[in-house]
Amino acid sequence: AQSVTQLGSHVSVSEGALVLLRCNYSSSVPPYLFWYVQYPNQGLQLLLKYTSAATLVKGINGFEAEFKKSETSFHLTKPSAHMSDAAEYFCAVNGQNFVFGPGTRLSVLP
Amino acid sequence: DAEITQSPRHKITETGRQVTLACHQTWNHNNMFWYRQDLGHGLRLIHYSYGVQDTNKGEVSDGYSVSRSNTEDLPLTLESAASSQTSVYFCASSGLGLAGDVSYNEQFFGPGTRLTVL
Repeated sequence: AQSVTQLGSHVSVSEGALVLLRCNYSSSVPPYLFWYVQYPNQGLQLLLKYTSAATLVKGINGFEAEFKKSETSFHLTKPSAHMSDAAEYFCAVNGQNFVFGPGTRLSVLP
Repeated sequence: DAEITQSPRHKITETGRQVTLACHQTWNHNNMFWYRQDLGHGLRLIHYSYGVQDTNKGEVSDGYSVSRSNTEDLPLTLESAASSQTSVYFCASSGLGLAGDVSYNEQFFGPGTRLTVL
């Protein structure tokens, strides 16, 4: 069985500060991992995905994530937060089935 | 541009009524999915399809049904709507990946349908 946990249902950062959203997964097969972003009243949009080509994955809007097999983690980072980054972020794993984490709401304070 | 659309975007209905939510994609994807999103539960899979005439139950399929008569559409039907089915519903699709590996490709999401059952 696969599962995804996201530490912190709500994260607040100041504009210009580092963004770190945590994701840990479990999977019985080599996983493909994804980060999605959801802006209010919209569907989910893909930020980036890991498909075993490289452990450090760069995505849109300046986000990146690093796959660490030993830690079963796929944390999302951005060096400098912008007000427009305020949204809900979902980590997902795809192996036997596509499973989403519960989401982390990111607030960016001026 | 290819896209995935859902209709209606908002729907209010009464308990016991049958409701159908439409999902249409022009990606020519084989795989289509229905999720519901509720506060505190994230996204939960209702039904999914890997091709025409193929349908499968997801985590929370009770009270819902789907049918896949063509590649583009996967309508979701609530046979007898209940207040517990008040939610935001998302449709998604994905294509086949390398060597037909369905897990390789990301899912593309529609804008969602907000359903209220009174």
